[in-house]
Amino acid sequence: RKEVEQDPGPFNVPEGATVAFNCTYSNSASQSFFWYRQDCRKEPKLLMSVYSSGNEDGRFTAQLNRASQYISLLIRDSKLSDSATYLCVPDNAGNMLTFGGGTRLMVKP
Amino acid sequence: SAVISQKPSRDICQRGTSLTIQCQVDSQVTMMFWYRQQPGQSLTLIATANQGSEATYESGFVIDKFPISRPNLTFSTLTVSNMSPEDSSIYLCSVGGLAGTYEQYFGPGTRLTVT
Repeated sequence: RKEVEQDPGPFNVPEGATVAFNCTYSNSASQSFFWYRQDCRKEPKLLMSVYSSGNEDGRFTAQLNRASQYISLLIRDSKLSDSATYLCVPDNAGNMLTFGGGTRLMVKP
Repeated sequence: SAVISQKPSRDICQRGTSLTIQCQVDSQVTMMFWYRQQPGQSLTLIATANQGSEATYESGFVIDKFPISRPNLTFSTLTVSNMSPEDSSIYLCSVGGLAGTYEQYFGPGTRLTVT
């Protein structure tokens, strides 16, 4: 089993839609979880950190299910500017992070 | 977060040569890391740059190929030695340990093409 599994997509959604990505991880010892977004030819940027069951920041909601070892990211009212690759990143032995392959989102007008 | 810069932003190099990439942070940070992102792939950790001691390399990466320096808490270098076309990639530094969290923040990356 891969350490971090994500559907690579692309997810093609219209503006204003709600879209959700799931991510499964294999290391049950992971304590911290992050969602990064990466635009084409740019560095990853931290979108959200999850330390408990979930986190919400504006249109973005992350939920963590430790029992099933998956984490989700929900984006409401999608904007064109949300088009990017979203990386699921659990910690692996503290300061080390394990990057998933990413899910590509394309928001269309 | 922290402001992180990398130099060079891109380079085209001939096989057999070496390139040193610099990473500068605007504040002292506990942790610095070097990653590689090959075309269409996700990030792979090369090593943790340790201040005042040898870097800690991940499986598949060795010091002779990727020597790393970290002379202080704001600066690190990664050298890609004896390059081959397979080394063509984006190399990113990141910093972590800020405010006691595991969050990492990335520099803008160095795009390397080896011909």
